[in-house]
Amino acid sequence: DADVTQTPRNRITKTGKRIMLECSQTKGHDRMYWYRQDPGLGLRLIYYSFDVKDINKGEISDGYSVSRQAQAKFSLSLESAIPNQTALYFCATSDLGGTDTQYFGPGTRLTVL
Amino acid sequence: KQEVTQIPAALSVPEGENLVLNCSFTDSAIYNLQWFRQDPGKGLTSLLLIQSSQREQTSGRLNASLDKSSGRSTLYIAASQPGDSATYLCAVSREYSTLTFGKGTMLLVSP
Repeated sequence: DADVTQTPRNRITKTGKRIMLECSQTKGHDRMYWYRQDPGLGLRLIYYSFDVKDINKGEISDGYSVSRQAQAKFSLSLESAIPNQTALYFCATSDLGGTDTQYFGPGTRLTVL
Repeated sequence: KQEVTQIPAALSVPEGENLVLNCSFTDSAIYNLQWFRQDPGKGLTSLLLIQSSQREQTSGRLNASLDKSSGRSTLYIAASQPGDSATYLCAVSREYSTLTFGKGTMLLVSP
């Protein structure tokens, strides 16, 4: 089984809808991250969390919110989706006490019409 | 603000060639540098991580070097194979483990 899983893998929605993307990990890592990837722009950090009680904004947090429900779960929400949030979304984890290598999930392709 | 640039944006080589991918960053105060591989429609796989105090790391046919003072890293791939075809991403972290990514080099290795 994959160490970092994301659901759903693909989602098409309409402008104004609320969307939640979920991430789960079995690696036992403390740190979790959400990135989005856009053609020509690379990956950019949305939010990150170093433990259940710690949430931090990244480079492009506007229009997004997150919830760290447990050490293993980190969810990303779009309260009112807009077309320019169409992108590939990745969750990642890293180990506080390790080499700090980040391990990525398979991604969620989100299309907002 | 940290900026990461990767050159070239795309590279096509015949199988068996040795090749070098380049990465540069504007702020030399980094904690580490990582190279990732991304296959089409897939997530990222970490290839090598170089701590700021290190000069290079090797894994199999891959060798990554880091010159922090000049803001440069290279990824050397020896004896390239068609299975190496993918996009290679460079990323640097400064603090709190947050990564700044380059836009990647798309590599195609032809049989």
